[in-house]
Amino acid sequence: NAGVTQTPKFQVLKTGQSMTLQCAQDMNHEYMSWYRQDPGMGLRLIHYSVGAGITDQGEVPNGYNVSRSTTEDFPLRLLSAAPSQTSVYFCASSPLDRGEQYFGPGTRLTVT
Amino acid sequence: AQTVTQSQPEMSVQEAETVTLSCTYDTSESDYYLFWYKQPPSRQMILVIRQEAYKQQNATENRFSVNFQKAAKSFSLKISDSQLGDAAMYFCAYRSGGTSYGKLTFGQGTILTVHP
Repeated sequence: NAGVTQTPKFQVLKTGQSMTLQCAQDMNHEYMSWYRQDPGMGLRLIHYSVGAGITDQGEVPNGYNVSRSTTEDFPLRLLSAAPSQTSVYFCASSPLDRGEQYFGPGTRLTVT
Repeated sequence: AQTVTQSQPEMSVQEAETVTLSCTYDTSESDYYLFWYKQPPSRQMILVIRQEAYKQQNATENRFSVNFQKAAKSFSLKISDSQLGDAAMYFCAYRSGGTSYGKLTFGQGTILTVHP
């Protein structure tokens, strides 16, 4: 049982480049979300989804896009990377009826 | 909007001793959940313990227990018989009840050091 997987683990981008962070879960969870973790600020919600075809914005959505075409996958797209997006990104999933979330291993992204 | 505050950026404890990490939150809701997550140097987020606001009994998980004071909006984590493997960043998190699904609001984190 792989749980929540994320790729890549590390990534370096130049300002203006685009990329997609991949997230997949094999637990048939309806809810999936993306957080970013910055020093001294805990984790902040970027986008979330309550099922295939349904997405919504979290606390810090600017500069990021998401889509949910299947229950298993929830990719996060950076359209034009900026140094302010340097962070550690976590994907998480949970059943709709339970609050605790299961997290992936994270992706450390550096934008130069 | 709800806020979660962890006022202790760093804490330390001797192996086998007990330590308490503090967390306060601000909400006008009556239905919510509270969590403690552990993040070791591996970066993986690990659920330590959860508490439903409607339950008066404090949650316990082996050496981990909470002191949930709903009126004071306080949710502290007590680690008994501390072990070297407990060294990590600990996050307190809040989730609204009802249809907020899994949206979590996190505190800033507390770094716990365990001395042998």
